[in-house]
Amino acid sequence: ILNVEQSPQSLHVQEGDSTNFTCSFPSSNFYALHWYRWETAKSPEALFVMTLNGDEKKKGRISATLNTKEGYSYLYIKGSQPEDSATYLCARTNNAGNMLTFGGGTRLMVKP
Amino acid sequence: DAGVIQSPRHEVTEMGQEVTLRCKPISGHDYLFWYRQTMMRGLELLIYFNNNVPIDDSGMPEDRFSAKMPNASFSTLKIQPSEPRDSAVYFCASSAPRRGAQYFGPGTRLLVL
Repeated sequence: ILNVEQSPQSLHVQEGDSTNFTCSFPSSNFYALHWYRWETAKSPEALFVMTLNGDEKKKGRISATLNTKEGYSYLYIKGSQPEDSATYLCARTNNAGNMLTFGGGTRLMVKP
Repeated sequence: DAGVIQSPRHEVTEMGQEVTLRCKPISGHDYLFWYRQTMMRGLELLIYFNNNVPIDDSGMPEDRFSAKMPNASFSTLKIQPSEPRDSAVYFCASSAPRRGAQYFGPGTRLLVL
C-alpha cells in the first residue's frame, strides 16, 4: 500500500446500529495513526492518536484499534446516533512524526 | 485557549488579486500546517513549519503561493496573483512536537471569481 486508503467511502446506517470502517496505510516507516471527525462546515476534530501495534483507544461510543505490522486501523461506533453523522478521516505520520498523509475519509450518515 | 484562529473566515476576490490568509496557532505549539480542501483532491498539505522555519513546502502548488511565519504566534499564506482554481477552503492547524494531534482552525473559504 502506497497511500492511506479508507473504506467504505460512504456509509448509511440506522440510528442504534453499530458500525465500523477501515483505514489501510503503508506499514514501513510508520510513526503514528490519527483519526479525525469532520462535520460538514466545520474543521476536523482530533479523536485518537495511536502509535503502538495493538493500541486500542476509546472515547464514549467510539473506539479504534491499530495493527502496525499489517498496516490497518479500525474505527468502531457503537449504537450510532444522528449526531455521529460526519466524515471520519484517518491520517498517518512518518518517522518524523509531524507530516500527516490523509485518507479520503469515510462519510457516515446516521438516519433517525 | 481559544484554539487555532484563522482570518478571514470568508474571502471573495477577483482573479489576479492578491489574497492573504492569516493564522494564529495554539500557544506553545511548535508546528504549524497549512492545508487546502477541494472536492477533487480532498485535504492536502501545502506547507508546514517547525519553530517558525518552513520544513516541507512540497505541497505548495506553484510560485503564486507563498507562506511565512515571522514569529511563533502568526503565519500567513499568500496567493499572488489568485486564479479561480485556487477557490477552496484553506485550513491552518498546529500541534505540539511529535505525537500530538493536530488542532485545526475553522478554515478560510476562498472564492476567486
